[in-house]
Amino acid sequence: GQQVMQIPQYQHVQEGEDFTTYCNSSTTLSNIQWYKQRPGGHPVFLIQLVKSGEVKKQKRLTFQFGEAKKNSSLHITATQTTDVGTYFCAAHTGGFKTIFGAGTRLFVKA
Amino acid sequence: SAVISQKPSRDICQRGTSLTIQCQVDSQVTMMFWYRQQPGQSLTLIATANQGSEATYESGFVIDKFPISRPNLTFSTLTVSNMSPEDSSIYLCSVVASSNQPQHFGDGTRLSIL
Repeated sequence: GQQVMQIPQYQHVQEGEDFTTYCNSSTTLSNIQWYKQRPGGHPVFLIQLVKSGEVKKQKRLTFQFGEAKKNSSLHITATQTTDVGTYFCAAHTGGFKTIFGAGTRLFVKA
Repeated sequence: SAVISQKPSRDICQRGTSLTIQCQVDSQVTMMFWYRQQPGQSLTLIATANQGSEATYESGFVIDKFPISRPNLTFSTLTVSNMSPEDSSIYLCSVVASSNQPQHFGDGTRLSIL
């Protein structure tokens, strides 16, 4: 079945450093979604990318969708302790079902 | 986005018993899903809750173990039957308003089986 590979599994950064997580698929995706899950919380939707080469920004977060619509990235500039959590990419497999990447757990040291 | 109420938020159960988790949405939604999430892991889809008909289960999950109901467009239940310690996990319901829209999750149910 369709899989979405996400790396790295976890990353430790010093506050103020940048962070990037990557998501890759062997097949072309109709869209890609990003979610954040705080420790002890539930996944919260951040953004959805649909167009080839699309770039969207939310304050310090930059989301990219590859030209071939097979990969995506989430980049956080100057991390803060509030960025701690696990970031998941997710893709629709057809219709309503969504497949989630393994997630990247971000640790931020103050 | 939809407001989702999931109950209970947590429970500790004896092995061999069953627990029913409820998911209530404040508006009608097209799709409702049930996920399981082991600590530190990603989300695994258990099944799609279909309104007025039997749920659609993913590989590795069966109706006898995880019966699901969805009597209307705003409510669903997941029962974890004949529980064993391996069923200890977080169970999450999620909803989708329409096709190609993002999912919105309930707060989850933390289940521990002794």
